[in-house]
Amino acid sequence: QLVLTQSPSASASLGASVKLTCTLSSGHSSYAIAWHQQQPEKGPRYLMKLNSDGSHSKGDGIPDRFSGSSSGAERYLTISSLQSEDEADYYCQTWGTVVFGGGTKLTVL
Amino acid sequence: EVQLVQSGAEVKKPGESLKISCKGSGYSFTSYWIGWVRQMPGKGLEWMGIIYPGDSDTRYSPSFQGQVTISADKSISTAYLQWSSLKASDTAMYYCARLGEMATISHIDYWGQGTLVTVSS
Repeated sequence: QLVLTQSPSASASLGASVKLTCTLSSGHSSYAIAWHQQQPEKGPRYLMKLNSDGSHSKGDGIPDRFSGSSSGAERYLTISSLQSEDEADYYCQTWGTVVFGGGTKLTVL
Repeated sequence: EVQLVQSGAEVKKPGESLKISCKGSGYSFTSYWIGWVRQMPGKGLEWMGIIYPGDSDTRYSPSFQGQVTISADKSISTAYLQWSSLKASDTAMYYCARLGEMATISHIDYWGQGTLVTVSS
């Protein structure tokens, strides 16, 4: 069964970098995913599609501070030069049968 | 510019029916899958189902099969999510979303603004 696993929470300081992880279930390590951001009291926003080889394509207007990478079954979202508006929930999503991860709540200290 | 514009918030009583909408513009509506996503208060995103407006091929998440109906009217570029008998547990925000590759089930690349559905006696 295709499952995406995310840590429930993460935190980092203003101006620092943070790396969020989304792990694909066993047997699905070749799958691409997408990352989405949901700021407080707002709807989700598409950030990027991330392939198993680490190549990624970002959505319209997504800053260069957001990047993606992959290693095995792990898919990463790195946010550099953290800003207060980056405090949000981050969800990974895959397809075949469409699935969301449980989300990671990022706190900017 | 791709846009998905959803219908407004609804307040309903248990047992009532409801149909909410999502109008697509700025792209070929019939060429991309559209999906519906539920977000219950304080919770994460849940996939409900998808429809291909070109031929109305519809797929449901097992959790939502038989609980809702997804449809589309390609003549007005609009997708729908409907309930025949609402329950209090249907209270949630509902988002429509476009799947980003033509004629392919893939990643979401655009989201609607959401429709809040409140079911209360």
